[in-house]
Amino acid sequence: SQQGEEDPQALSIQEGENATMNCSYKTSINNLQWYRQNSGRGLVHLILIRSNEREKHSGRLRVTLDTSKKSSSLLITASRAADTASYFCATDVRGANSKLTFGKGITLSVRP
Amino acid sequence: DTAVSQTPKYLVTQMGNDKSIKCEQNLGHDTMYWYKQDSKKFLKIMFSYNNKELIINETVPNRFSPKSPDKAHLNLHINSLELGDSAVYFCASSQDRREGYETQYFGPGTRLLVL
Repeated sequence: SQQGEEDPQALSIQEGENATMNCSYKTSINNLQWYRQNSGRGLVHLILIRSNEREKHSGRLRVTLDTSKKSSSLLITASRAADTASYFCATDVRGANSKLTFGKGITLSVRP
Repeated sequence: DTAVSQTPKYLVTQMGNDKSIKCEQNLGHDTMYWYKQDSKKFLKIMFSYNNKELIINETVPNRFSPKSPDKAHLNLHINSLELGDSAVYFCASSQDRREGYETQYFGPGTRLLVL
């Protein structure tokens, strides 16, 4: 069964606005990772947050993790047209053989 | 140099054929993966190898057989291709499975179309 579920499924914003994407999961995790996929390309790792962390930053990205609610959010500030892509959360489940379980992804469109 | 490369990039073939997809990583990583991404972009792990040893084998038809000749290579052979095998197949690698080394690096994907 699917572990991560992102919402919204699609998001369209204007360049310069912030984009917030959410991910919920079902079981205890070691870490949660966010990946980006540009159209026709492979996935690129953005950021990893561990189960004992609550917030992490990387450039214009901010990720939060709430293990009590089993949810995470990815915030992209001051979005650019180049941020247009699909974004996936992936959970590394505690006790498993360190495999990532991906959600269905969020399609982000940033209008110039 | 491409970190994780896959060949071929596109593969169009007839139902019933046997085909192989190759993956190579030049990152010196110990762990490699195969994923399948369907038309709805849902990405699911199929196999994982660590140091040439199979460690993850999800519920995948036994028509799919991975092979890791060395740490840097992980190939995927598919027998008797079916229409439902049409998808994008991604190879990925990570340094190993220890905490702190879990980030995965993906190849560009192989787009398989079975007619």
